[in-house]
Amino acid sequence: DTGVSQDPRHKITKRGQNVTFRCDPISEHNRLYWYRQTLGQGPEFLTYFQNEAQLEKSRLLSDRFSAERPKGSFSTLEIQRTEQGDSAMYLCASSLGRRETQYFGPGTRLLVL
Amino acid sequence: GENVEQHPSTLSVQEGDSAVIKCTYSDSASNYFPWYKQELGKRPQLIIDIRSNVGEKKDQRIAVTLNKTAKHFSLHITETQPEDSAVYFCAASISLGSGGGADGLTFGKGTHLIIQP
Repeated sequence: DTGVSQDPRHKITKRGQNVTFRCDPISEHNRLYWYRQTLGQGPEFLTYFQNEAQLEKSRLLSDRFSAERPKGSFSTLEIQRTEQGDSAMYLCASSLGRRETQYFGPGTRLLVL
Repeated sequence: GENVEQHPSTLSVQEGDSAVIKCTYSDSASNYFPWYKQELGKRPQLIIDIRSNVGEKKDQRIAVTLNKTAKHFSLHITETQPEDSAVYFCAASISLGSGGGADGLTFGKGTHLIIQP
């Protein structure tokens, strides 16, 4: 499968714990985006990278959220001190820089107890 | 920032009839408008997109129209089939054009399309 992949697919954690999600984009896609989707809503944009540079991070939901893409390939999204309100599907998407089309991964479903 | 409104939230049509979903956006700088289809438990998948230099685009049974002046765009599905049942999302973004790619997408809240047999 050469599509966008995400790991893990499901994560259950207790309130206050830190969690980290990984996204592997389509090979050669230099743009990588993170979104959050809650039940019954459209995806909500969080941040994106072009290669290893984070071009937009003001939409991250709080300072508990951070993302990295250290070598311009895979990316990680970390949530520190999780809260029940963080329960959602976290989606990753990638695109080939000069084109607009974003291809989504299957998502990581987070449940905070 | 950009705000995208989508209507209706639920749309039920008879198989073979047409379905129309409408969206409005607020930021006049937005110039890229994709539509995604999301089946239950699956990832969003692009079905069609349009850029602001084009008023209409068609791909087989699916078409999208854009009115830049009114900041309004619509998805039209003709000859609906059971497999068209899903949630459809419109979105808007700013694209830098050739070589520039696009910013993060702002999505509408989705339309649950139900095709009645």
